[in-house]
Amino acid sequence: DAGITQSPRHKVTETGTPVTLRCHQTENHRYMYWYRQDPGHGLRLIHYSYGVKDTDKGEVSDGYSVSRSKTEDFLLTLESATSSQTSVYFCAISNKSGGEGYGYTFGSGTRLTVV
Amino acid sequence: QQQVKQSPQSLIVQKGGISIINCAYENTAFDYFPWYQQFPGKGPALLIAIRPDVSEKKEGRFTISFNKSAKQFSLHIMDSQPGDSATYFCAASWGSNYQLIWGAGTKLIIKP
Repeated sequence: DAGITQSPRHKVTETGTPVTLRCHQTENHRYMYWYRQDPGHGLRLIHYSYGVKDTDKGEVSDGYSVSRSKTEDFLLTLESATSSQTSVYFCAISNKSGGEGYGYTFGSGTRLTVV
Repeated sequence: QQQVKQSPQSLIVQKGGISIINCAYENTAFDYFPWYQQFPGKGPALLIAIRPDVSEKKEGRFTISFNKSAKQFSLHIMDSQPGDSATYFCAASWGSNYQLIWGAGTKLIIKP
């Protein structure tokens, strides 16, 4: 998707290893989000950021940490991967707050498999 | 209170028919209701959105109907086409809060 890229696109990792997913944007948007998508659960928010070094937890943050040292990059780290973290991870960006609403732009996702 | 309930979970419609997906919410503070469309292997993309001061919004073949008193909103796809086959998500948010509350999604299949 234009302006937002996720890497890697696919990853297989072993239980207990740390994993970092990267989200990079070229839109200079203030807000960035990490979601996971699982069948039957829709999109669930893991963590979000409202500025450089400003982050907060979402509804399913246990086992995950994030960092945002630059406007353009938002990293998601699985501190010790478990099989329950096998999922498709999406990053999203948004530059609106209230007013006109929240036109999120999503990346193409990272498919993570923990074996 | 924070949930958005979406139905049906899956839907099969004949080409040319009308596809209807429904969402219900409890939080009366919600003031923004978008719909997203997701194709396999892609992230969701904003399709159409509505605010509660109007009862209907139309963009091409896609229409959102909003019933404030019933706390329900729905997506109607007129003259449904095979290219509309995708997963659709409703969502809701409020005020200056920048988080969207998502429905669980509806997998739509349009049969040719």
